[in-house]
Amino acid sequence: DSGVTQTPKHLITATGQRVTLRCSPRSGDLSVYWYQQSLDQGLQFLIQYYNGEERAKGNILERFSAQQFPDLHSELNLSSLELGDSALYFCASSFTGTGVSDGYTFGSGTRLTVV
Amino acid sequence: GQSLEQPSEVTAVEGAIVQINCTYQTSGFYGLSWYQQHDGGAPTFLSYNALDGLEETGRFSSFLSRSDSYGYLLLQELQMKDSASYFCAVLRDDKIIFGKGTRLHILP
Repeated sequence: DSGVTQTPKHLITATGQRVTLRCSPRSGDLSVYWYQQSLDQGLQFLIQYYNGEERAKGNILERFSAQQFPDLHSELNLSSLELGDSALYFCASSFTGTGVSDGYTFGSGTRLTVV
Repeated sequence: GQSLEQPSEVTAVEGAIVQINCTYQTSGFYGLSWYQQHDGGAPTFLSYNALDGLEETGRFSSFLSRSDSYGYLLLQELQMKDSASYFCAVLRDDKIIFGKGTRLHILP
């Protein structure tokens, strides 16, 4: 157990639907990062929150949104789902604002399948 | 812009040594990190090099040459459990960018 909790572990939904992925960071970590990993693709950065504020944004689709709550847990909302959104979605956390030296701690991921 | 280049696959024999290379092009370089990911698992942080030279942690070592924009991960005394994907990563614009990963196959 890495200390980063992601729910649900698996999600199967139909095209056009909306889902919410949840992440609780490791105790004491202030930064939360969301990544998407598709088959044969690397880890694509989506968005970062630090202590409740959006800090960095990657190639996140407009259909996707996220937020970090006062208790530091984060949710990633995916709407108008398409088949191509099927992927493994990882949440990671770090104590520092960048996590470059102390490293990210990843959750076990949510596997999203859009049918 | 920035890019990270690493081989897509590497094969080695159990008990041997293998080196996984990574070249990068990025402005504002802060250091090179390495992550390991087993199939179906989460990436785990292995190492971070901010300065030139070799950092050793048990069987794994990581090297950085800032002047050559190059680094590598060295795995010694390979074990079957080391079969995984290995990602190099750099910090850019307050976010960590990962390479596409190198899949390490280990033969008995």
